[in-house]
Amino acid sequence: DTGVSQDPRHKITKRGQNVTFRCDPISEHNRLYWYRQTLGQGPEFLTYFQNEAQLEKSRLLSDRFSAERPKGSFSTLEIQRTEQGDSAMYLCASSYDTEAFFGQGTRLTVV
Amino acid sequence: TQLLEQSPQFLSIQEGENLTVYCNSSSVFSSLQWYRQEPGEGPVLLVTVVTGGEVKKLKRLTFQFGDARKDSSLHITAAQTGDTGLYLCAGAKAAGNKLTFGGGTRVLVKP
Repeated sequence: DTGVSQDPRHKITKRGQNVTFRCDPISEHNRLYWYRQTLGQGPEFLTYFQNEAQLEKSRLLSDRFSAERPKGSFSTLEIQRTEQGDSAMYLCASSYDTEAFFGQGTRLTVV
Repeated sequence: TQLLEQSPQFLSIQEGENLTVYCNSSSVFSSLQWYRQEPGEGPVLLVTVVTGGEVKKLKRLTFQFGDARKDSSLHITAAQTGDTGLYLCAGAKAAGNKLTFGGGTRVLVKP
């Protein structure tokens, strides 16, 4: 399977804990995006990379959130000191040009 | 306020009926993509439209991009129960840029 891969699929964490998610994009896709989706809503943009450079960050991305793509391949999204409001589906997508392909997402539940 | 407005938010029809989902904006987009998403999964790309006035057909699905590249529609002919899902439109201001999503249209096709 050469699609976008996200790990883990599900994460339950206690409020205040740190969590890290991983995304492996489609090979040779130079752009990688993170989105967040809450129930009943469309995905909201968080941040995106072109190769290893983080080119844009949404105002939704508070200072508790950090994303990296150190070698221009896989990416990680870390949330520090999680809050209940962080509970959502975190989606990763990659693209080479116009079309973006999504992974299956990581469902985060903060209890 | 969403940059892309989808209507209706929810649609329930009988198998065999036709349906149309609309995606409207006051902004011009370089491209517009339609996705279908099932519960607990990531969005799956259905089609990308890039030219004003463009019409694309994918079996029973017909996608249209408005002449001014501000709006789009998705028409499903003779809906099947397998068409049930959340349909999302998403626009990009330039190739490779982040996607701005509509709020989604939840379609339920009853047998």
